[in-house]
Amino acid sequence: AAGVIQSPRHLIKEKRETATLKCYPIPRHDTVYWYQQGPGQDPQFLISFYEKMQSDKGSIPDRFSAQQFSDYHSELNMSSLELGDSALYFCASSREGTSGGPEQFFGPGTRLTVL
Amino acid sequence: DAKTTQPPSMDCAEGRAANLPCNHSTISGNEYVYWYRQIHSQGPQYIIHGLKNNETNEMASLIITEDRKSSTLILPHATLRDTAVYYCIVRVRAGSARQLTFGSGTQLTVLP
Repeated sequence: AAGVIQSPRHLIKEKRETATLKCYPIPRHDTVYWYQQGPGQDPQFLISFYEKMQSDKGSIPDRFSAQQFSDYHSELNMSSLELGDSALYFCASSREGTSGGPEQFFGPGTRLTVL
Repeated sequence: DAKTTQPPSMDCAEGRAANLPCNHSTISGNEYVYWYRQIHSQGPQYIIHGLKNNETNEMASLIITEDRKSSTLILPHATLRDTAVYYCIVRVRAGSARQLTFGSGTQLTVLP
């Protein structure tokens, strides 16, 4: 079965550079979520999109922005990178409206290292 | 979303049942109990969810107490590949692309 695809899987950047992470949801999934997981920490919600509109916002820094495109893929843009941005970034997708609340399917993550 | 409490760690012998408890005493009537797990540095994986009835799927069983203030995830025959952090999450039924709020979870170690 198709899964959530994230690219790149690994990314190394310098401080103050920019980075773009991409997420391709499972086909026919209409909702995308972004989570950040720092070293030794639990995943923290950043932002979500439903039908290409921003739906919910968590602890996402102002330096970060995201959007969902017409083909439902999503991109997380990160500017003025800081050392503390080094983390695993997970994308998840779901299909709203399923009974009981849709489960979220997570991608393998992008490991961002800021030097 | 209601707060959950889980033991930080548990061990289980391979082949035995793993019973992972979760307390959610402030759960509301419209909130579901979800379980996810995260194998080291991989994306979290959905396991099961329920509202008030016990649930079973190919991965696990979920037992929710009658007052809904606690639940237990049961892995009937644990294997080494079940070693992971298990998260119990309580949240309302989706309808607004609701986030998952991960707490500290339980580190389950399956021993050979």
